[in-house]
Amino acid sequence: DAKTTQPNSMESNEEEPVHLPCNHSTISGTDYIHWYRQLPSQGPEYVIHGLTSNVNNRMASLAIAEDRKSSTLILHRATLRDAAVYYCILRGEISNFGNEKLTFGTGTRLTIIP
Amino acid sequence: NAGVMQNPRHLVRRRGQEARLRCSPMKGHSHVYWYRQLPEEGLKFMVYLQKENIIDESGMPKERFSAEFPKEGPSILRIQQVVRGDSAAYFCASSPVKGTNQPQHFGDGTRLSIL
Repeated sequence: DAKTTQPNSMESNEEEPVHLPCNHSTISGTDYIHWYRQLPSQGPEYVIHGLTSNVNNRMASLAIAEDRKSSTLILHRATLRDAAVYYCILRGEISNFGNEKLTFGTGTRLTIIP
Repeated sequence: NAGVMQNPRHLVRRRGQEARLRCSPMKGHSHVYWYRQLPEEGLKFMVYLQKENIIDESGMPKERFSAEFPKEGPSILRIQQVVRGDSAAYFCASSPVKGTNQPQHFGDGTRLSIL
């Protein structure tokens, strides 16, 4: 899987929007961009994923650059519960089954300031 | 709709004992994945199973670790003759089908401590 680069940490004020960046300059045409987050003492939680177009769901929005070399996870109104480590992960077609695993990097630790 | 259930949540073993970690996937999910998170590190893939089959065990240590997902019952991750370095959080995830556009749904993990 292609590599992703994220800032180690970010801070945001409660009730304000948060933009979490991810660079993936070596992304291939069939790689999906997935985002997960991990709250303290919990398992990772799926947030959103996309291929080329921007995506919205009840948790967040995913904005994908036109050249697909970067993407941004957008939390529209941060709450204290959004404090977590956010992981940007690429999943691509390598073999029939060898790409089923998720490859987690170090992610971005998001701190929400009350 | 119950999520992925892992038990026990916490497990303490002495060096040399066996540890058995159980994972019940979400209803209707036949694909199970195990990951390990060492203290202050990211999650690392261990093994991917479908019912009764190991599909990808490229992340499993060569010795002492085994996994199964029987036709009936939960998936089991088994660690024999545990050592201090096995202390970690072990997470299980499941999905209904395979595919790079399919989310994986995680349990809250088993925290294994080796005395």
